[in-house]
Amino acid sequence: DVKVTQSSRYLVKRTGEKVFLECVQDMDHENMFWYRQDPGLGLRLIYFSYDVKMKEKGDIPEGYSVSREKKERFSLILESASTNQTSMYLCASSLPRGGGNTIYFGEGSWLTVV
Amino acid sequence: AQKVTQAQTEISVVEKEDVTLDCVYETRDTTYYLFWYKQPPSGELVFLIRRNSFDEQNEISGRYSWNFQKSTSSFNFTITASQVVDSAVYFCALVIYNQGGKLIFGQGTELSVKP
Repeated sequence: DVKVTQSSRYLVKRTGEKVFLECVQDMDHENMFWYRQDPGLGLRLIYFSYDVKMKEKGDIPEGYSVSREKKERFSLILESASTNQTSMYLCASSLPRGGGNTIYFGEGSWLTVV
Repeated sequence: AQKVTQAQTEISVVEKEDVTLDCVYETRDTTYYLFWYKQPPSGELVFLIRRNSFDEQNEISGRYSWNFQKSTSSFNFTITASQVVDSAVYFCALVIYNQGGKLIFGQGTELSVKP
């Protein structure tokens, strides 16, 4: 079965803390994505990665960075968390081939920054 | 620019009613893919269907059916004989070929099915 696992479902962090959100997929997918979901704004792409050590900015990369040292793992990093980063974060993965592949999502991580 | 619009923010129906969720997309590209995802309260996005731009055949899967019409740039989703377990937020999304597989989401439609 396809599996995208996000390490933490619920986190509460303080303003200014460095936050790591981890995502692991077991499908040998090349593509991995981080989205954030907010009421009224839908899902917005933060960063994506086509391969190990490759990354590209999505629509809202400010305040975030990513790391992909191994094919199965894609980490989202909030260097200095702020309250406006309180949100639901969703990781996803897919095979490449132009974009016609199904994109699988993890269960989401609810982050609250206080 | 590409865009997906789900004009219905919330829909409420009574169990066993049929319900259609609307999705309209915009793109100038000729090769693209359309998706529907379901998001139950637990938060995970569950894949429902994928359609490519060259395949306008309607699809039926149990109580679910999808109507893809390129002429109106629509990809509507119908649930027949709705059930309480269908209550969720449903997202329509667009992927443009060779743009990295990035999903462009609509705002989502929250469906509430009451017993």
